[in-house]
Amino acid sequence: AQTVTQSQPEMSVQEAETVTLSCTYDTSESDYYLFWYKQPPSRQMILVIRQEAYKQQNATENRFSVNFQKAAKSFSLKISDSQLGDAAMYFCAYRTNFGNEKLTFGTGTRLTIIP
Amino acid sequence: DAGITQSPRHKVTETGTPVTLRCHQTENHRYMYWYRQDPGHGLRLIHYSYGVKDTDKGEVSDGYSVSRSKTEDFLLTLESATSSQTSVYFCAIRIGLAVTDTQYFGPGTRLTVL
Repeated sequence: AQTVTQSQPEMSVQEAETVTLSCTYDTSESDYYLFWYKQPPSRQMILVIRQEAYKQQNATENRFSVNFQKAAKSFSLKISDSQLGDAAMYFCAYRTNFGNEKLTFGTGTRLTIIP
Repeated sequence: DAGITQSPRHKVTETGTPVTLRCHQTENHRYMYWYRQDPGHGLRLIHYSYGVKDTDKGEVSDGYSVSRSKTEDFLLTLESATSSQTSVYFCAIRIGLAVTDTQYFGPGTRLTVL
């Protein structure tokens, strides 16, 4: 079974600085997808970014980018120019390309933005 | 906005009572999912559906049943609620083509079982 590990329960960053959230995963598959979701205090789960394992190029979405290291099974999220609205729980998730294609989530990292 | 609503948004109930949570989508997406969120566990899949009357179990399905009689509605039932089922429940739908599809989540239901 696939597992996703987020080893940083909490992180903090100064406003306007850059922060990187870590995620590692374990799988024997070669074809899969990885995601970062953001959960602000409103509790809504919001998709931040996705990465296809077959793509070597790292995904980017405005201030959010990933560092995808397939051999190391690592998928970190970098947030540039941190803003107060970035404060949230961040979840890393894995999705197989076979079967029911459910998401397997990590336990989350709580990000605090310091003004 | 993926057009997903959940009802109720909050519920307090007592041990042993039946509870049904509803997930409604405004479009005809085939796949729907129920997850629960607990501290220290992230989100875990309870059940999912891949069409009307087509459902299957996830990793934490014990004590839950689901039904999908219409494309737009996916119901989660706790036949006899227990305190261990106190949690936040999220419904999700899968949108997009096979290569680009992504799950989008509803606003969640906070359930407290006393």
